[in-house]
Formats: sequence, C-alpha cells, structure tokens
Amino acid sequence: RKEVEQDPGPFNVPEGATVAFNCTYSNSASQSFFWYRQDCRKEPKLLMSVYSSGNEDGRFTAQLNRASQYISLLIRDSKLSDSATYLCVVNTRGDYKLSFGAGTTVTVRA
Amino acid sequence: NAGVMQNPRHLVRRRGQEARLRCSPMKGHSHVYWYRQLPEEGLKFMVYLQKENIIDESGMPKERFSAEFPKEGPSILRIQQVVRGDSAAYFCASSPVRLAGVETQYFGPGTRLLVL
Repeated sequence: RKEVEQDPGPFNVPEGATVAFNCTYSNSASQSFFWYRQDCRKEPKLLMSVYSSGNEDGRFTAQLNRASQYISLLIRDSKLSDSATYLCVVNTRGDYKLSFGAGTTVTVRA
Repeated sequence: NAGVMQNPRHLVRRRGQEARLRCSPMKGHSHVYWYRQLPEEGLKFMVYLQKENIIDESGMPKERFSAEFPKEGPSILRIQQVVRGDSAAYFCASSPVRLAGVETQYFGPGTRLLVL
C-alpha cells in the first residue's frame, strides 16, 4: 500500500466553481500534513500546511481527519491560474523524509 | 537571495553513460535532500546529506547511484551506467536545520534526465 494516495483526476471545472479532493495516508504516526502545488515541469511549492482544526488561506480550505487518515483541499471561486497538480505531503514528526502523493490534477477552464 | 539551483535543467544520456546532477543549496543552508519523480508518480526521497556526510541514503538504489556533498561546491548525484528506467525528474531541496519540516525544505527547479 502506498504511503500517500490521491485521486489523480483530472478535475475539469469552470472558472468560479468550487472543487474539492482528498488524499489518504497509511502511517497513523504521521504528524504533519501539507498541500503542495506543482505546475507543469516545475518544482513543488508549498501551498499550505494542514492543521488539526482545519484552516483557510484565502480561497483554499484544508481539513484533516485523523480518525480516517485523510486530508482534503477545497478551492473556492476557481481561477484559471489554479490549474496545476496538487500534491498531498505527509511528514512523520522528527522525520525529514517527505512522503508525496502522486498528485491530483485540476484544470480550470474559462 | 538566490534559491536552490540545479544544473543542468535537462540532461540526455544514452544507456550505459554516466549522469551527474548538481545542486547548489540556498545560501546558509547546509542540508541537502534529493528526491526522484518518475512519470505519473509522486516524489520519492532518495538521500539526505550534510556537508561531507551522508546522513540517510535509505531511498537510494543499491547500485549505480551515489551522492556527495563536499565541503566546497555543490552536492552531486551521480548515476553510473544509466538505464531507461532512470529517466525521471530529480529534485534537490535544501534546509538550514536538521529534521526540517517541509516549511523549511526549499526545492530547486529539478533536472530532467532522459535516457535514450
């Protein structure tokens, strides 16, 4: 079983729509969770951390469900510039190794 | 303040040749991590180095792959006798402290290796 699993998509949504997707992780000892964004053929860039109580950053909302071992990302009022692959990243406390999901591709169309 | 630099950005090799990938960490960073991203897959941890030390190479293939981070100069990921399955994007990240959380691992633009 993969450490981090994501629905690859693609999620094709019109501008202004809301899109949401999840990722599941297998290591119950995982303590830190993040969403990264990766544009085509570029390096991953941190989008936001995911906190236990859930958190928002502008149009982006992240949620964590420890009992079911999944995290989610919701994007409101989608923009064309939101088109990217979103990577779910999990880090076990004290472990520098980052476990990446394969990514969920989102395409926002005009 | 320049970010993490990697070169070359693209590298084409024929089977059996050697590939050398270089990574210069951000100024002031002494910890380097290498990740590999195969097509349609997530990034996979390969190796963690500090200056002149390999801390963790548990993600490195046992043969043909080696890494170093000398006292002076960039970190080098070396792949000997490349095979087609080595074709991937290789990302380097650096951090200023050990056991960094992801917020303090900064990624370079990657080197895309194509083995013909």
